[in-house]
Amino acid sequence: DGGITQSPKYLFRKEGQNVTLSCEQNLNHDAMYWYRQDPGQGLRLIYYSQIVNDFQKGDIAEGYSVSREKKESFPLTVTSAQKNPTAFYLCASRRTFRESGELFFGEGSRLTVL
Amino acid sequence: SQKIEQNSEALNIQEGKTATLTCNYTNYSPAYLQWYRQDPGRGPVFLLLIRENEKEKRKERLKVTFDTTLKQSLFHITASQPADSATYLCALGGMTTDSWGKLQFGAGTQVVVTP
Repeated sequence: DGGITQSPKYLFRKEGQNVTLSCEQNLNHDAMYWYRQDPGQGLRLIYYSQIVNDFQKGDIAEGYSVSREKKESFPLTVTSAQKNPTAFYLCASRRTFRESGELFFGEGSRLTVL
Repeated sequence: SQKIEQNSEALNIQEGKTATLTCNYTNYSPAYLQWYRQDPGRGPVFLLLIRENEKEKRKERLKVTFDTTLKQSLFHITASQPADSATYLCALGGMTTDSWGKLQFGAGTQVVVTP
C-alpha cells in the first residue's frame, strides 16, 4: 500500500538533546512538508521541500532542520535551540508543489520534552 | 496578518441532522480551499477541494460552499452519523507562486454526533 510512514509514534526527549523524526513516502511525490500541531491551534508549517535536494523554511523554522537527499525521505531534526518542542508533528506529501491537490499525511509523531 | 478562523466550540448534533461548519479568513486571497477530517492522535485525511471560481462542491453526504466576497466557506455533513464524529480542518492555498503550494490551516472544529 502506498502512503507516508512516520516514526517513532511517541518520543521522549530530555532538554538539550537533539532528536530526529523520520518521514518516508512511497507515493513518488515531489513535494513534502512538516507541520507542527498544538492544542487549539492550526497546523503550522515548519519546512517544506518542492523537490529532492531542495527545501525552504516555513512559518516556524527556528530550532528545526531538515534534509531531502532522497525523493522518498524528509527527516526533521528538532534541535536544542527549539524553545518549546513538545507537540504533535505531522509529515505530509503532495504529487507536486504547484497544484491544488490533496496533502497525504502520516500518522504523526508525538514529541514530549521531559 | 493572515488569519483563518473556525469555531473553537465543539458542535454537538443528533444523528440524522445536518452539521454545518464555518471557515472564515481575513487578509488572504485564496486560490483554493480544502477540508480535512482528523481523528484523535491521527493525521488529517483529505475530504474536499473547492477552487475560488467555484461556488459549491459535493461528495456523497458532504457539501462545501465558497464565498470569496464574504471570505467564508461552509462545510455541511448531511444525515450525520456517529462515525462522522471527528475534528474538521479547513485549509487555504494562496494565489502567488510561492503560497500556492503552502496550505494554511485553521485550528479545526470538533463534531460530536450522538445516536
